[in-house]
Amino acid sequence: GQNIDQPTEMTATEGAIVQINCTYQTSGFNGLFWYQQHAGEAPTFLSYNVLDGLEEKGRFSSFLSRSKGYSYLLLKELQMKDSASYLCAVNSNSGYALNFGKGTSLLVTP
Amino acid sequence: DGGITQSPKYLFRKEGQNVTLSCEQNLNHDAMYWYRQDPGQGLRLIYYSQIVNDFQKGDIAEGYSVSREKKESFPLTVTSAQKNPTAFYLCASSNRDSLNTIYFGEGSWLTVV
Repeated sequence: GQNIDQPTEMTATEGAIVQINCTYQTSGFNGLFWYQQHAGEAPTFLSYNVLDGLEEKGRFSSFLSRSKGYSYLLLKELQMKDSASYLCAVNSNSGYALNFGKGTSLLVTP
Repeated sequence: DGGITQSPKYLFRKEGQNVTLSCEQNLNHDAMYWYRQDPGQGLRLIYYSQIVNDFQKGDIAEGYSVSREKKESFPLTVTSAQKNPTAFYLCASSNRDSLNTIYFGEGSWLTVV
C-alpha cells in the first residue's frame, strides 16, 4: 500500500521560516510533489523533486531524500496569504496518478 | 487560455439519483484524473485515464463511473450506489512532457439533499 504522512497543523509567524515535513512509504517512486490549497479552491503546483537534494524556487524550497523516504517544504519570509493547506504527493508508478497525503494546514499569524 | 474546466461548480443531488460532473481540458494532456476530497482530508483517487477509450479504477471507484471517448473530456458519474457522495470533486490532467505534473480544475461541490 501507499503511506504518506505529514503533520496535520502548524502555526508560524509572519516573516518567519517554516518547514513542513513529509514521509512516505510507497511501492515505487517516480517523483514527489508539493501543492498549495486554499480553502474551497483547487490545489496549485508548488514543486517537484525526483532526485535527492534541494530545489529552490523563490520563497519556497523543497528537499528530497529517497533513501529516507523523506521530503520537506521550506517556506521563507512568511506572508499572511501563505495560510493554506500544503499537500505532499508521490507518483509511485501506478500510471501517472499521484497519491496524496492528508495535507498540513498552515496558519500564519501576525 | 489553456486549462481545465469543470462544471457545474455546485450541484445538489437527491438520494437515489445519478449525477454527472463534466471535465474538459484544452491542454492536450494524455492523462486525466478524478479525485475526491472530504473536509479536512487529502485527495483520494477515484478513476484515471492514460489514453482515450481506456481508464483504470483508483482507490475509491465503487459507486462511480467514467468514460473517455475524447482526449479532451473525462466526465464522472456519481451513481446512486455511492452512499456518501457529498464531497469536493477535483478533475485533473497531466502529460509526460510536464514531468507528469498534475494540474487541477476548479472543482465541483456535490451535496446530497
